[in-house]
Amino acid sequence: LAKTTQPISMDSYEGQEVNITCSHNNIATNDYITWYQQFPSQGPRFIIQGYKTKVTNEVASLFIPADRKSSTLSLPRVSLSDTAVYYCLVGLTGGFKTIFGAGTRLFVKA
Amino acid sequence: EAQVTQNPRYLITVTGKKLTVTCSQNMNHEYMSWYRQDPGLGLRQIYYSMNVEVTDKGDVPEGYKVSRKEKRNFPLILESPSPNQTSLYFCASSRGPTLPPDTQYFGPGTRLTVL
Repeated sequence: LAKTTQPISMDSYEGQEVNITCSHNNIATNDYITWYQQFPSQGPRFIIQGYKTKVTNEVASLFIPADRKSSTLSLPRVSLSDTAVYYCLVGLTGGFKTIFGAGTRLFVKA
Repeated sequence: EAQVTQNPRYLITVTGKKLTVTCSQNMNHEYMSWYRQDPGLGLRQIYYSMNVEVTDKGDVPEGYKVSRKEKRNFPLILESPSPNQTSLYFCASSRGPTLPPDTQYFGPGTRLTVL
């Protein structure tokens, strides 16, 4: 399993774009990058997943450079309700041993 | 509605009194997993199961047991709970080791306090 490193916390203001970068130097050829979001006292929920280049859905974008040693989750125009912990996972996260790590705590201020 | 359910949601118990936290999913998922969450440590995997009668240890299995006798259920057993097992527990399920990886669906959590 590839080890991931994320910032422990980030602050932002409503309406700003937030970028959270995750580094995963030991990513393997078949590994995908998956991001989850967790609100207090709730289970994590899937946000976005990608293998290379850029992926966009209705919630976020995921940027993955060519070497795939890092990835950036981009949240456009955040609101107070985006205050949560964001986890970056690498590997076969749906079927084997899974490592979530400590995640990045995002706090959005008014 | 597709969901993962856990019971109980809250439990206060005493050291040494055996307890079971149940987990059930209605999505016919093969893979199920248990996590614990403690402040500053994120989610740590306790055990996971890739199918009926197939279980394996995660990162923090000590003090826990699991069983997978039916596809939909994956109970977490604490034979002799201790205060260091006070935590928030989550059960999750997914289809299994697919490519790309399948989403894990999480239950609402069980907050356990061991006195």
